[in-house]
Amino acid sequence: AQKVTQAQTEISVVEKEDVTLDCVYETRDTTYYLFWYKQPPSGELVFLIRRNSFDEQNEISGRYSWNFQKSTSSFNFTITASQVVDSAVYFCALSEGTYSSASKIIFGSGTRLSIRP
Amino acid sequence: NAGVTQTPKFRILKIGQSMTLQCTQDMNHNYMYWYRQDPGMGLKLIYYSVGAGITDKGEVPNGYNVSRSTTEDFPLRLELAAPSQTSVYFCASRYTGTDNEQFFGPGTRLTVL
Repeated sequence: AQKVTQAQTEISVVEKEDVTLDCVYETRDTTYYLFWYKQPPSGELVFLIRRNSFDEQNEISGRYSWNFQKSTSSFNFTITASQVVDSAVYFCALSEGTYSSASKIIFGSGTRLSIRP
Repeated sequence: NAGVTQTPKFRILKIGQSMTLQCTQDMNHNYMYWYRQDPGMGLKLIYYSVGAGITDKGEVPNGYNVSRSTTEDFPLRLELAAPSQTSVYFCASRYTGTDNEQFFGPGTRLTVL
C-alpha cells in the first residue's frame, strides 16, 4: 500500500534561515510520481514540483530545492533564506502508476511552516 | 481557460440536509477527482472518474455520491449531511497525456451544524 509520511507537524524559523521539510514515502510500484504542494493561509493548493521515479536528479528553483533519494524513499524540500511569504502548509504527495492509469494522489498530513520576521 | 471551478465557496448545512457541490473544468480533462481536507489534515480522496459515465470510490466515499454525465462536470452529492462531513472539499482534474499533474479548484468550505 502507498503511504506518505511527513513527520514534522509544525516548524517555526526566523526569516532568512534555511529550512528542510521531510517527506518519506512507501510504494510497491517501480513507476510513481512525487509532488510537493503549498497551501497558503488563503487555502488554495499551489503545485510546486513533480518528480517521477526514474529521475533522481535534485532540482533547484530559486530559493527552493528538492532532494529525491530512492535508497531512503525520501523526497525532501529545502527553502533557502526563508521569507515570511513562505509561511504555509506544505504537502508531499505520491501517485502510483503510469500516466495512463487513474493515478490517484495520496497526500501526507502536511507540515505547517511559520516564518517569523 | 478558467481551469477548475467550484461552487459554492462556502455553505452551512443543518444535520440531515442534502446538497450538491459543483465542479466544472474547461480543459477537456478526462480524469476528475473529489478530495476532502479536514482541519489540520491532508487531503483524502472521496471519488474519482476516468471519463464520462465512469466513476469509482476513493478512500472515504461513505455519505457521498457522484455522477459524470459530461466531461466538464463532476458534481458531488451529500445526502443526509452529518457533522463529520464538515470539511473543505477540493475538486481536481487531470488529462491523460500529462505526467500526472492534477489541477485543483479553489475549494468549498462546508460546515454541518
